[in-house]
Amino acid sequence: DTAVSQTPKYLVTQMGNDKSIKCEQNLGHDTMYWYKQDSKKFLKIMFSYNNKELIINETVPNRFSPKSPDKAHLNLHINSLELGDSAVYFCASTGQTTYEQYFGPGTRLTVT
Amino acid sequence: GQNIDQPTEMTATEGAIVQINCTYQTSGFNGLFWYQQHAGEAPTFLSYNVLDGLEEKGRFSSFLSRSKGYSYLLLKELQMKDSASYLCAVRDRRSSNTGKLIFGQGTTLQVKP
Repeated sequence: DTAVSQTPKYLVTQMGNDKSIKCEQNLGHDTMYWYKQDSKKFLKIMFSYNNKELIINETVPNRFSPKSPDKAHLNLHINSLELGDSAVYFCASTGQTTYEQYFGPGTRLTVT
Repeated sequence: GQNIDQPTEMTATEGAIVQINCTYQTSGFNGLFWYQQHAGEAPTFLSYNVLDGLEEKGRFSSFLSRSKGYSYLLLKELQMKDSASYLCAVRDRRSSNTGKLIFGQGTTLQVKP
């Protein structure tokens, strides 16, 4: 009965590969987010979708492409992976009647 | 732009009280959040302040002064399980309809016996 889930939890891949991370929330929230947390633990917003519509698109390389097939799912596809993409990626969601964001368990991406 | 500053590390003793400060600069304030993050885990929500004053929730309290651009998180009766990173995050008026949060670097708190 996990509220926000992500797959995979760990992802090890080589430079140049393309990979996807999936996120699902069963909280009935309208808004979902992708964050990147680097080795210095800075948590930075990347993208946000509200009811399948992109509402936040920070300065992120266009190798990163989010997709929201429905409001319960937000996926992140990364093309041509680079060493600097190594980080923990967190998905989060929030609803109209709540102000806090609920985070998924994170996906630790390691690019070698 | 926005700027959030909090100490990188703090150490405290089990049973004691610790105060973690956060200062921020934003063009239009619309809420300050504190999150707790244990090593290798997801951030979890602790508190939300939008008006000046103290919000108490069990052993944790959060204070806000909008005129000073200042907040603190107060942890009482420290337990070993409180060892974690504490993240301060701010939402500005332009982001109120998107919920966009700007996070500080986090304060890693170590509780010692």
